[in-house]
Amino acid sequence: EAGVAQSPRYKIIEKRQSVAFWCNPISGHATLYWYQQILGQGPKLLIQFQNNGVVDDSQLPKDRFSAERLKGVDSTLKIQPAKLEDSAVYLCASSLGQRAYQPQHFGDGTRLSIL
Amino acid sequence: AQSVTQPDIHITVSEGASLELRCNYSYGATPYLFWYVQSPGQGLQLLLKYFSGDTLVQGIKGFEAEFKRSQSSFNLRKPSVHWSDAAEYFCAVRSDTGRRALTFGSGTRLQVQP
Repeated sequence: EAGVAQSPRYKIIEKRQSVAFWCNPISGHATLYWYQQILGQGPKLLIQFQNNGVVDDSQLPKDRFSAERLKGVDSTLKIQPAKLEDSAVYLCASSLGQRAYQPQHFGDGTRLSIL
Repeated sequence: AQSVTQPDIHITVSEGASLELRCNYSYGATPYLFWYVQSPGQGLQLLLKYFSGDTLVQGIKGFEAEFKRSQSSFNLRKPSVHWSDAAEYFCAVRSDTGRRALTFGSGTRLQVQP
């Protein structure tokens, strides 16, 4: 089974620019997550989708971050405008459903550097 | 609110030696607990999970973890470490009600000496 695909792997931009990340979850997985992992820290959930609806976006900085999951499959996460503190690895994960016993499978992430 | 503490930021062990990585959690009910491993430049891979039942759980790559409710701990162990085990290890807790986000600890970086 193919894993969670993310692109690009690396992105370097200047502050105040915009950037977008793409995620393709494992086929059949209804739940999709975006995490932010700052260097030296564990991942922090930004947003969770169930099919194409948002379940939890309480930790998403909505003044600059947005995410969508059209058609309940692929998802994009956008930052506009970027700040220096947004430098991090952005991880996408998917699972069959929302239940705690349904494991989350992670992609390799996108490493974002803000100059 | 749930939280996870991994008190050791960095651990170095010799190849073939035993390993124990500590994890303490804070959660009101019976938690769902996980250990993930992250190699450089890669995503997180699930090593093992605890939901209920036997408090000693077996995972992949020869790892095991023991849930101790009285100590609010879920320590990860391996009897003999291989050089390929060098990576970052994350403990995580999750609720099955309300906000179901995975809450991660800050990680322990494992270095393996030849």
